[in-house]
Amino acid sequence: EVQLVESGGGLVQPGGSLRLSCAASGFTVSSNYMNWYMSWVRQAPGKGLEWVSVIYSGGSTYYADSVKGRFTISRNNSKSTLYLQMNNLRVEDTAVYYCASVRGDSRIDNWGQGTLVTVSS
Amino acid sequence: QSVLTQPPSVSGAPGQRVTISCTGTSSNIGAGYDVHWYQQLPGTAPKLLIYGNRNRPSGVPDRFSGSKSGTSASLAITGLQAEDEADYYCQSYDSSLSGVFGGGTKLTVL
Repeated sequence: EVQLVESGGGLVQPGGSLRLSCAASGFTVSSNYMNWYMSWVRQAPGKGLEWVSVIYSGGSTYYADSVKGRFTISRNNSKSTLYLQMNNLRVEDTAVYYCASVRGDSRIDNWGQGTLVTVSS
Repeated sequence: QSVLTQPPSVSGAPGQRVTISCTGTSSNIGAGYDVHWYQQLPGTAPKLLIYGNRNRPSGVPDRFSGSKSGTSASLAITGLQAEDEADYYCQSYDSSLSGVFGGGTKLTVL
C-alpha cells in the first residue's frame, strides 16, 4: 500500500524559509512504474486546490508562476523522500501543502495527509 | 482564478440526482486530456473519485459517474446520500505542462 507522510510545516515570518519533506512507502519517488511522478499541491484556508510543483521520473521539474524562483522541488531516491524548499515566503503562501503521487494520465491517486504552512508576522 | 470552471455550489435532497459541471479550454480538456474528479470531506485530503473521464477506482460506489464532451466534463451523483456532502474538484492537464484544477463545488445534501 502506498503511503505519503509530509512533515516540516509550521509558522514562519514573511521572507523566511521552510523545507517540506514527504516520506513515501510502498514505492520509490523515482519510480517509473506505471509512469508515476511526484507533485506538491496546496490549499489555502477555505480555498481550492493549486498545483505548485512537479518532478518527473527523469528529473525535469515544473513550477506554478506563483512560486517560480522561490520554491525548489527535489527528491532523495535512496530515502524515498520528496522535498519542497520554500524561500522568500509570502503571506499568500499560507496553505496546507499536500504531497501527491501522479499517474501518467495526470490523475493523483495518492495524497499525503497534508502539512500546514503559515506565513505571518 | 482557477483554470477549470465549476459552479461554486450545488444541492439536492436525499435520493435525488445532481450534476457538477467542469468547463475548460482548448489547451486542457478540449485538447483531449483526461478529466479526473476528487471528493474532499471536511478536514481531510482529497480522494480520487473518477479518473480517465469515466472510470471509478476500486471502492467508489457506482452512484458516481463521469462524462466528458468537447471542452467540458460532468460528474453525476445519483441516489444522493448525506455522506456525499463534500467539496468536489475536477482536474485535467494543460499544455502549459501542468495539472490544473477547477475551483471546487460544495455539495449540500438538503
